[in-house]
Amino acid sequence: DAGITQSPRHKVTETGTPVTLRCHQTENHRYMYWYRQDPGHGLRLIHYSYGVKDTDKGEVSDGYSVSRSKTEDFLLTLESATSSQTSVYFCAISWGSGGYEQYFGPGTRLTVT
Amino acid sequence: ELKVEQNPLFLSMQEGKNYTIYCNYSTTSDRLYWYRQDPGKSLESLFVLLSNGAVKQEGRLMASLDTKARLSTLHITAAVHDLSATYFCAVDIRGAGSYQLTFGKGTKLSVIP
Repeated sequence: DAGITQSPRHKVTETGTPVTLRCHQTENHRYMYWYRQDPGHGLRLIHYSYGVKDTDKGEVSDGYSVSRSKTEDFLLTLESATSSQTSVYFCAISWGSGGYEQYFGPGTRLTVT
Repeated sequence: ELKVEQNPLFLSMQEGKNYTIYCNYSTTSDRLYWYRQDPGKSLESLFVLLSNGAVKQEGRLMASLDTKARLSTLHITAAVHDLSATYFCAVDIRGAGSYQLTFGKGTKLSVIP
């Protein structure tokens, strides 16, 4: 398995509270991604990073921010969680972009009540 | 906007039978990926298809890519129960900072003994 961990693995939080999810890799891959998975939608890209401090928005970025201060860590923050952000969040990494497969972490199940 | 459509979305088949899952996409790309997801688990990379006419095979699964038709197929030969899972295709598209994957909604395969 690719060396990707996500923390926490499960979280229940209340509407309006801030939440930060962490993705940690030991593979020294340049690219890191955050996806959310919802029934009937497949996986949708939230944000991605192509290097330390280099990030960009994906398809469903509203309500989310990211930071990457080290190669190995990519943080996803929900500034004020809403019930619509209840989902399973996956982090992925890839060595390169375009033609390089992505390796996925174990996922974080987030419930916003 | 790129659309990636898989069909069928649900497939119930008997052991020993053959079937094909289709993945159509709406814009030019010559890179396509297939992933497998078991219930409650992460995504596992199955195939990386990087050019028109590419064909990859692993066990009872064979994937192909026709970039002119914007179509990839995942063919299952003599299905066994262990192949029960959800299968996703994903298309590589150039974004602002790098290539991004757009996923289909997935095909949930149930193989019945």
